Amino acid sequence: DSGVTQTPKHLITATGQRVTLRCSPRSGDLSVYWYQQSLDQGLQFLIQYYNGEERAKGNILERFSAQQFPDLHSELNLSSLELGDSALYFCASSAGDEGVRAKNIQYFGAGTRLSVL
Amino acid sequence: GENVEQHPSTLSVQEGDSAVIKCTYSDSASNYFPWYKQELGKGPQLIIDIRSNVGEKKDQRIAVTLNKTAKHFSLHITETQPEDSAVYFCAASSPRGSTLGRLYFGRGTQLTVWP
Repeated sequence: DSGVTQTPKHLITATGQRVTLRCSPRSGDLSVYWYQQSLDQGLQFLIQYYNGEERAKGNILERFSAQQFPDLHSELNLSSLELGDSALYFCASSAGDEGVRAKNIQYFGAGTRLSVL
Repeated sequence: GENVEQHPSTLSVQEGDSAVIKCTYSDSASNYFPWYKQELGKGPQLIIDIRSNVGEKKDQRIAVTLNKTAKHFSLHITETQPEDSAVYFCAASSPRGSTLGRLYFGRGTQLTVWP
């Protein structure tokens, strides 16, 4: 068990809908990362938050947004869903700010499997 | 940004044999290289990592080597066991500006160990 909790495990929804994926990082970790895993694109970085603030952005669509709350849990919001958004979405957490030479060891949750029908 | 290539995409070995997975990266500034193992239905699990100031690191049956000049790093698993069967991902992390801390992943290697 990595200590990173993601809910729900599975999500089935229809095109055009909006969903929210939730992530609780390991105790004490300040950074949260979101990744999308699909068969054709592999593991793709979406976005990173550190202590409530956005730190880095990857190939995240404008229809997707995320935030990190004061208790450090994070939510990934996916809207206007399309068939191609079906994928596994992973959250990872790490201890601290890489800019101060903290270890960037990322621990992954078990993921949320999103199916858009 | 960084580009990580991983080979082979599939690897089958007999139990007890060794397995080697190779990765190359493009950004010479990358300085952290973790390897993850992903079993069916689970998230990636860190199995070993190496930083750019080290050439090799071992942990029991697993070792990772890094060649900064050639920009490639490899995972070596010795005395493979059926429970080593999984998808293995290499990754690289660059300390550059806006990409600070993010991991760039290879496409993965499906390792199958036959008893």
